[in-house]
Amino acid sequence: NAGVTQTPKFRILKIGQSMTLQCTQDMNHNYMYWYRQDPGMGLKLIYYSVGAGITDKGEVPNGYNVSRSTTEDFPLRLELAAPSQTSVYFCASHREWNTEAFFGQGTRLTVV
Amino acid sequence: KQEVTQIPAALSVPEGENLVLNCSFTDSAIYNLQWFRQDPGKGLTSLLLIQSSQREQTSGRLNASLDKSSGRSTLYIAASQPGDSATYLCAGFTGANSKLTFGKGITLSVRP
Repeated sequence: NAGVTQTPKFRILKIGQSMTLQCTQDMNHNYMYWYRQDPGMGLKLIYYSVGAGITDKGEVPNGYNVSRSTTEDFPLRLELAAPSQTSVYFCASHREWNTEAFFGQGTRLTVV
Repeated sequence: KQEVTQIPAALSVPEGENLVLNCSFTDSAIYNLQWFRQDPGKGLTSLLLIQSSQREQTSGRLNASLDKSSGRSTLYIAASQPGDSATYLCAGFTGANSKLTFGKGITLSVRP
């Protein structure tokens, strides 16, 4: 099993551009999450999903969108990128509420 | 709303010392608590998952405990080594349709 895979690993965007961060897992996990991590600020939850077709906002959803059309994929869309979105983005998943969560290796995004 | 706190933010110890990392949470209706390790520039690696029905879990030199009544979890590291230097994060899961809530982490440095 590949686990949780995030692509790309690195990306530089210009202000106003858009992009999609990809996250896929091959473990048939129901729960999936997107976090951003800024230095000294810990992990902040952007969006999460408890199953295909269900998504919900986290702490910092503004400027982002997600979809969950399949169990495996949970892409994060950035529209009109802003410098404040410069961060490291992590995707995570777990099967049920009482099971272990696994993380992807992260996407380092810089908006200039 | 579940809030997770980890104090202190950083800790430095000499090699060989036994140490305890603390994690506090506000909602005692926690379903489970998970400890993670994060190395610089990397993703999060799961260390231990403790269910609400359990008091502790052990893996090698690591032992994690959970006390719901006091709102605390501890990660005990025996005979610390320089390779244990990393940031340690705890995360609680509350509610079947809920989400993982993270503390900000404790950055551990083990001096040779």
